[in-house]
Amino acid sequence: NAGVTQTPKFQVLKTGQSMTLQCAQDMNHNSMYWYRQDPGMGLRLIYYSASEGTTDKGEVPNGYNVSRLNKREFSLRLESAAPSQTSVYFCASSSRGQGSNQPQHFGDGTRLSIL
Amino acid sequence: EDQVTQSPEALRLQEGESSSLNCSYTVSGLRGLFWYRQDPGKGPEFLFTLYSAGEEKEKERLKATLTKKESFLHITAPKPEDSATYLCARGGIHDKIIFGKGTRLHILP
Repeated sequence: NAGVTQTPKFQVLKTGQSMTLQCAQDMNHNSMYWYRQDPGMGLRLIYYSASEGTTDKGEVPNGYNVSRLNKREFSLRLESAAPSQTSVYFCASSSRGQGSNQPQHFGDGTRLSIL
Repeated sequence: EDQVTQSPEALRLQEGESSSLNCSYTVSGLRGLFWYRQDPGKGPEFLFTLYSAGEEKEKERLKATLTKKESFLHITAPKPEDSATYLCARGGIHDKIIFGKGTRLHILP
């Protein structure tokens, strides 16, 4: 029962470096999401993908890009990391509802520090 | 703008002392109200979904209820293992879900 798997679990980068966070789900879900969680700010949506081949911006997309590689995988890329991107990043997935939202299932996060 | 407000921010209870957590949400276009539990160093874990006013869901010592503008998570006779952050979230269009900032619950033995 893997569910949502995120890699890596921890990462330290220097300002200006780039990296890609990986996410894969094995629940055959159509929708996938990337969030960041900061103290006092709660979970904020960065990007989401309602289906394979589509992506849309969330609340805080600046400085990030995403790729929905296939139905299972959804990656998040930081092209030029900045200290303000130090955060815990969560990937989630959900099935599509008919007129209602379905619950999201989360990975255990990637803890990213930008020096 | 869709909003979710949770109160209190933090709550300390003695083991066995029942209480309730509150979640106020923007009513327009609600497509589901969700409760999650988050342990330190882990991702949120889904607990309940509520779709219409008057609906209730239960799991062990937890019961979630929904009115037209609020949801409550009732905790009956809590144990130390119930200590966690509890997140409320509302569903909206395009499958987007807006989260509240959470209530940190600490149960003292």
